[in-house]
Amino acid sequence: ETGVTQSPTHLIKTRGQQVTLRCSSQSGHNTVSWYQQALGQGPQFIFQYYREEENGRGNFPPRFSGLQFPNYSSELNVNALELDDSALYLCASSPGTTSSYEQYFGPGTRLTVT
Amino acid sequence: ILNVEQSPQSLHVQEGDSTNFTCSFPSSNFYALHWYRWETAKSPEALFVMTLNGDEKKKGRISATLNTKEGYSYLYIKGSQPEDSATYLCAFTSNFGNEKLTFGTGTRLTIIP
Repeated sequence: ETGVTQSPTHLIKTRGQQVTLRCSSQSGHNTVSWYQQALGQGPQFIFQYYREEENGRGNFPPRFSGLQFPNYSSELNVNALELDDSALYLCASSPGTTSSYEQYFGPGTRLTVT
Repeated sequence: ILNVEQSPQSLHVQEGDSTNFTCSFPSSNFYALHWYRWETAKSPEALFVMTLNGDEKKKGRISATLNTKEGYSYLYIKGSQPEDSATYLCAFTSNFGNEKLTFGTGTRLTIIP
């Protein structure tokens, strides 16, 4: 069974640019959630996708957008990057049942905006 | 506004000693409480998911308890080992219908050999 993978591991972008982060969910999981962890904070919920539809969104501006594909992998897109977007971005997948709500995390993508 | 708080923020424990730390969360609209262990440069690893008041879960030397009426959970580590060094995160899930995790800021544990 393959775990959750994310790419790239690290990247550096300039303020104002756009970035796309990718996540492959664990086999058999149809739900993907994205979190942002800024320095000194716990991960903050960005949004969740369930079977290709957005299923909840945290307190992030519209320049944070996402997609989920038919194979349940997902992308997080951030437009007009700001310095405060520098953070670790985590994705997590889950089987989408209500029995446990257990989420399995990838190792994250470290984004640095200069 | 949902707030999850963890204490202490960090601690150093001598190898072989036992330790515990706390997670407090809103007691209303509770669905589940999660504990994760997160080692540097790795993925957060799920330790426990607890849903019922009074739940106690154990995995090896690590155990956790849950009190949903007063909104707290304790994580215990017995006989600490160097490999227990990590950040321990707790997260709360409400019964609002999606699986959003609301995290605390974590407890950073360092085991001193």
